[in-house]
Amino acid sequence: KAGVTQTPRYLIKTRGQQVTLSCSPISGHRSVSWYQQTPGQGLQFLFEYFSETQRNKGNFPGRFSGRQFSNSRSEMNVSTLELGDSALYLCASSLAGNRFSPLHFGNGTRLTVT
Amino acid sequence: ELKVEQNPLFLSMQEGKNYTIYCNYSTTSDRLYWYRQDPGKSLESLFVLLSNGAVKQEGRLMASLDTKARLSTLHITAAVHDLSATYFCAVPGGGADGLTFGKGTHLIIQP
Repeated sequence: KAGVTQTPRYLIKTRGQQVTLSCSPISGHRSVSWYQQTPGQGLQFLFEYFSETQRNKGNFPGRFSGRQFSNSRSEMNVSTLELGDSALYLCASSLAGNRFSPLHFGNGTRLTVT
Repeated sequence: ELKVEQNPLFLSMQEGKNYTIYCNYSTTSDRLYWYRQDPGKSLESLFVLLSNGAVKQEGRLMASLDTKARLSTLHITAAVHDLSATYFCAVPGGGADGLTFGKGTHLIIQP
């Protein structure tokens, strides 16, 4: 069974630009979450999607947005990039309807903002 | 505000030794997760602990949960080099029902 796939693996952008990251969940997983990982703040929850609807959102500015498609694939977008947005962005999928199942993480997209 | 604290944050130990990583959290939760992350890699699920007194074991790793004390432990028995990684505990809530992670314990096991 294929795992969670994130593309691209690496991105370099300049301040002020926008970026879109993509995530394909494990087949059959309908819940997709996004996390930001930085050395200073650690792992922080961005948002969760289920059935094309944002179910939860973490404490991030409106520049961070996302969406989910009918095939459960998800994208997240960051507009007006700042240097502090440099991070590893991790997507995770889980079985919807089973709140006890663990998250399965992808390999992440490493974003560098210069 | 939910806080999840791990200690130690850094641990260097010798092969063959035993050690315990601690995870404290500040509000009531009905479950706790442990993950492992190798350098440059993603997070791998190790354990899901669902109830008070839950104990799970996989190889040289054993995790337990005390919901009354809001404490989980990850015990390493007879450590081997392959267990070198960063270990995270995580609890639901704090970030609008996403997982709140501890800072991670960076574990180095030396021969």
